[in-house]
Amino acid sequence: DSGVTQTPKHLITATGQRVTLRCSPRSGDLSVYWYQQSLDQGLQFLIQYYNGEERAKGNILERFSAQQFPDLHSELNLSSLELGDSALYFCASSLRQGDTEAFFGQGTRLTVV
Amino acid sequence: SQQGEEDPQALSIQEGENATMNCSYKTSINNLQWYRQNSGRGLVHLILIRSNEREKHSGRLRVTLDTSKKSSSLLITASRAADTASYFCATDVYNNDMRFGAGTRLTVKP
Repeated sequence: DSGVTQTPKHLITATGQRVTLRCSPRSGDLSVYWYQQSLDQGLQFLIQYYNGEERAKGNILERFSAQQFPDLHSELNLSSLELGDSALYFCASSLRQGDTEAFFGQGTRLTVV
Repeated sequence: SQQGEEDPQALSIQEGENATMNCSYKTSINNLQWYRQNSGRGLVHLILIRSNEREKHSGRLRVTLDTSKKSSSLLITASRAADTASYFCATDVYNNDMRFGAGTRLTVKP
């Protein structure tokens, strides 16, 4: 158990809908990363937060947004969903911003039908 | 965009053999990490090597880093069937985001 909790584990929704994925980082970790992994692909970096502030942005679509709350949990919002958004979405947390290992949650498997 | 590129994409070996995976990257880095992913599950951290280090060991794992060639290798010695997984390198570009490559899928046959 990494200590990072992602909910829900599975999500099936229709095209055009909006969903929210939630991540609770490991206790004491200030940095949260979000990644998208399509079938048998590598991890695409989406966005990183540190202590509530956005610190880095990757290939995140405009239809996607995220935030980190004062209690350090984070949410990834995906809107106007398309079939191609079906993927595993991972959250990871680390103590510092970089230069340290990250701990991954078990992911949320999103299926858009 | 991806920062690291692992090579080979897939590797199949017999139990007891050594497995070597390589990672190349494009820009200067602060550190490089290797992670392991069992099918469809979260990634697990294996080892971190900083830009001023050349080699690091952890159990049956040996990681090297050549910053002049912008490359790293992960060696797993005396492999076991339980080592079957995908292995990813991740680069930390000066304390910002952590970018992963596409991974090497390792199969260890008993």
